[in-house]
This record gives sequence, structure tokens and C-alpha cells, in this order.
Amino acid sequence: DTAVSQTPKYLVTQMGNDKSIKCEQNLGHDTMYWYKQDSKKFLKIMFSYNNKELIINETVPNRFSPKSPDKAHLNLHINSLELGDSAVYFCASSLTSPSYEQYFGPGTRLTVT
Amino acid sequence: GQNIDQPTEMTATEGAIVQINCTYQTSGFNGLFWYQQHAGEAPTFLSYNVLDGLEEKGRFSSFLSRSKGYSYLLLKELQMKDSASYLCAAMGGATNKLIFGTGTLLAVQP
Repeated sequence: DTAVSQTPKYLVTQMGNDKSIKCEQNLGHDTMYWYKQDSKKFLKIMFSYNNKELIINETVPNRFSPKSPDKAHLNLHINSLELGDSAVYFCASSLTSPSYEQYFGPGTRLTVT
Repeated sequence: GQNIDQPTEMTATEGAIVQINCTYQTSGFNGLFWYQQHAGEAPTFLSYNVLDGLEEKGRFSSFLSRSKGYSYLLLKELQMKDSASYLCAAMGGATNKLIFGTGTLLAVQP
């Protein structure tokens, strides 16, 4: 029973391409997140959606566009990929209250060549 | 501003006790989380503190002092499988976002 799933697990692509990462959770949570973890293992919030509404939008280049078709899904589309976009992207979900832990997906390792 | 500080690396011996410290600065503080992350895997939740004091959960305990902006994670009876990165994260700001530290890589040696 996968709680938070992401596809694909690995993504290797060339600079300038456009790619998407999909995320789904079956926990009944109403908040979903995208994080980026760079080569130094620093985990940084990018976006957060609550009930399909964008509530956190950090200073991320507008080449990154999240989309939440429903509460259980949050996708990330990246246009014109750059070398610096290479990282592991984690999706997470939680209930709305601050005290609830976030459950992370397995991550998508993106390599831009 | 928002800032989290924790040691980069620590080494400890199997069966021993280790304490990983974390100091934080964040506006609208709403809790302190600890996550464990094994190499190549996703972070998994360990603990949440919002009030001052110690929360114990099996071999792991977490402490918070809001006035000092300080937390620690205490791991007892260390096992080899505890070798991992331990991430301190403060929740705060208008949107209750999680700000993570860079993580403490713990190596447990026989």
C-alpha cells in the first residue's frame, strides 16, 4: 500500500527540454507539497497546495509550474530545463493542522545533461 | 529571517547514546520536527515538539526550549541501522512552512 507515490523515480534529460513529475497520495490528506533536495542534501520547500489551492510559492523560477487536479494529486511541470535543476524532487502530503507530520514520496532524481 | 543550524556530521558507537542539537530562528514559530533520512530514501517523521520539554518515543526522545530557540534529538541504545541523516525542521511563518536544516549525518560504528 503506497502512501505517497511519485513517477518517474529517475529522469535523465537534456538542457532545454520540458518534463513533468507526477505525485499521488492515498492518505486522504488535504495538503500536498513539492520539495527540492540539492547535492548538499539541503531540503527546501517549493510549493504547497491545500485543497487544490496554492498556499506556498517560494522564490522558484516560473519555469516550474505546479498543478493540482484534485486533492490527491500534485504534479510538477518544468520548462526549459537547466543544469542547476538537477536534484531530487520530493512530493509530500499532510493534514492541514501544523502538528501533523508530512509524509514524503520516494523522490524523483532529475539529472539534466 | 529564518535559520536552522545543526552539526554536519557526528559519529557514535553501537549501544551508546547520542544527542543531536539544533538551533532555530523563525517568525511565527509553530513547532519543531525531526526527520530521519537514510541515503537514497525519503525523509521519515520522528518527532514533533511545540511546547517546552521532552517527548519520549521508544529509543528516540526530542527536547524543545522555545525561549532559547533550541532543540535536540536523543538516540539511545544506538543500532547500526540508525546511521542516517537527521533533519531538524522548524515550522513557522504566515503559511506554516517547514524550514529544514542541512541535516546531521550520523555514522554508528561497531
